[in-house]
Amino acid sequence: NAGVTQTPKFRILKIGQSMTLQCTQDMNHNYMYWYRQDPGMGLKLIYYSVGAGITDKGEVPNGYNVSRSTTEDFPLRLELAAPSQTSVYFCATILAGGSYEQYFGPGTRLTVT
Amino acid sequence: AQSVTQLDSQVPVFEEAPVELRCNYSSSVSVYLFWYVQYPNQGLQLLLKYLSGSTLVKGINGFEAEFNKSQTSFHLRKPSVHISDTAEYFCAVAARTDKLIFGTGTRLQVFP
Repeated sequence: NAGVTQTPKFRILKIGQSMTLQCTQDMNHNYMYWYRQDPGMGLKLIYYSVGAGITDKGEVPNGYNVSRSTTEDFPLRLELAAPSQTSVYFCATILAGGSYEQYFGPGTRLTVT
Repeated sequence: AQSVTQLDSQVPVFEEAPVELRCNYSSSVSVYLFWYVQYPNQGLQLLLKYLSGSTLVKGINGFEAEFNKSQTSFHLRKPSVHISDTAEYFCAVAARTDKLIFGTGTRLQVFP
């Protein structure tokens, strides 16, 4: 049982490039989340999904896109990378109807130069 | 809307001393409250949570927190810290929804 896995661990992008951050979970949790963490700012919710085929915007969705075709996977897409997207990105899951405890992946550190 | 305030961005403390990390929240409805810990270069891990019942909640690694509804606080405490407790600590609130609101974090630095 791997829990929540994220790839890659680190990435450097040039301005204007695109990439996909991968998130996979094997806990059969229906809710999944993407956060970004900036120093001194806590975690900000980018997008979330309550189940396959359903996604919704969080607090800071601009510049990102998501899809949820399966229960296990919730990729985050950056289409035109900007320096403001330099951050650490975390994926998390919960089991709906449970105790709202979120399980976090190890994170992806992204630098845009 | 809900919000969380962690009053201290950094808390330095010597090993074996007690520590309190402060968290205040605002919400017009009843809430669930959480403390998460983040060790360097890792994801967040749940320390403890308050859902209902006893206002004193015990978590992992000897931490505990007390829910105070009148003061809208959920302060985290440990009677004797260890070097290995050095980490970032986040308070979070969920207002009976599926989304967590996080505080900005408190960096606990334990010195020998």
